[in-house]
Amino acid sequence: GEDVEQSLFLSVREGDSSVINCTYTDSSSTYLYWYKQEPGAGLQLLTYIFSNMDMKQDQRLTVLLNKKDKHLSLRIADTQTGDSAIYFCAEGQTDSWGKLQFGAGTQVVVTP
Amino acid sequence: DTAVSQTPKYLVTQMGNDKSIKCEQNLGHDTMYWYKQDSKKFLKIMFSYNNKELIINETVPNRFSPKSPDKAHLNLHINSLELGDSAVYFCASSREGRWETQYFGPGTRLLVL
Repeated sequence: GEDVEQSLFLSVREGDSSVINCTYTDSSSTYLYWYKQEPGAGLQLLTYIFSNMDMKQDQRLTVLLNKKDKHLSLRIADTQTGDSAIYFCAEGQTDSWGKLQFGAGTQVVVTP
Repeated sequence: DTAVSQTPKYLVTQMGNDKSIKCEQNLGHDTMYWYKQDSKKFLKIMFSYNNKELIINETVPNRFSPKSPDKAHLNLHINSLELGDSAVYFCASSREGRWETQYFGPGTRLLVL
């Protein structure tokens, strides 16, 4: 989407860490989400963060939020081949009744 | 048990036809959505219903008409299909609309020839 930007492609070796970046423009964003889409499948929610938080960790996933720069990142530790997918960043605003603005998605390819 | 299901999974049809896509959720959620994902994987919301009431109606041609017979179902009817309607259509649901997590269906791949 025009308000949420992501890099389009990331290649990473199995076992390394992946970092996927996202920038957004709407300062009223309240919730920021990361979704994963495997080939031919729907979107699977990975994690989300409230805009008043700086960091959230959930097993191999770490989300960092820099609200001043409107920058969101998702770090995947010990990346596995099963992590190969498209990762979407999305922002949601509490006054927009669930309207999510998605980024264009980052294709992550994990090589052995 | 599938949380959000859509039928059909694939739909191939001719230009000018009318078709419907069905969505059902068994999560007890109050809000349902339709999204369109184009060939470049860009996802954009089309409609949102809360308790059978239309909440979000983005700039979508009026050939697209959502219908919510009850809060567990949100169907999408498309009249006079055009080539540009070819996309993957995702249904989603959430407990409420404002900030609750949205759960997505597997998608319906529509190809208009």
